[in-house]
Amino acid sequence: EPEVTQTPSHQVTQMGQEVILRCVPISNHLYFYWYRQILGQKVEFLVSFYNNEISEKSEIFDDQFSVERPDGSNFTLKIRSTKLEDSAMYFCASRRDNTNEKLFFGSGTQLSVL
Amino acid sequence: EDQVTQSPEALRLQEGESSSLNCSYTVSGLRGLFWYRQDPGKGPEFLFTLYSAGEEKEKERLKATLTKKESFLHITAPKPEDSATYLCAAAKNPGAGSYQLTFGKGTKLSVIP
Repeated sequence: EPEVTQTPSHQVTQMGQEVILRCVPISNHLYFYWYRQILGQKVEFLVSFYNNEISEKSEIFDDQFSVERPDGSNFTLKIRSTKLEDSAMYFCASRRDNTNEKLFFGSGTQLSVL
Repeated sequence: EDQVTQSPEALRLQEGESSSLNCSYTVSGLRGLFWYRQDPGKGPEFLFTLYSAGEEKEKERLKATLTKKESFLHITAPKPEDSATYLCAAAKNPGAGSYQLTFGKGTKLSVIP
């Protein structure tokens, strides 16, 4: 079965540094998402992306965050100046189209901010 | 504020011992209720979507049901490979691109041989 691929699986960074988390959604999918899960907490919505623009974002997704689809296959999440509280598992997800409710998640990138 | 609450937080079952997981929700304009399975170190894996009260869906040993305030995930004669965290999530508008899911904290199920 096709998969959403995320790299790296683990990322350690210093507070204040920029990080880019990378995702390759399933090839024929049109809708892309980032969610995060702080250890022991719920999975939280960050942002949705369609037709090369953000369609919705949560309160968590402030000016420090940005997303981009730089080419036809990659989907990235950039955190410009990381904070300790950004430490979490970040999940990329994709969905085929508007008629299909099935959301496919990647295995996540564990981000640790020191 | 939209909320999804799951209980119990953890459940240990003997192999073959059937049980149910609960998900209660207060979401205005609910359009879909989702169940996912999450294995350690992995992303959530889709199981079911339920859209209206009274709806039921089954997959192998799992059956999901929906009422106006709750959803249940029934596990019949579980096996050790059913051990995982089961997540419930509510969507306000699953047909649209925004597709914002509100997740519960999950129920960690352990099935002992």
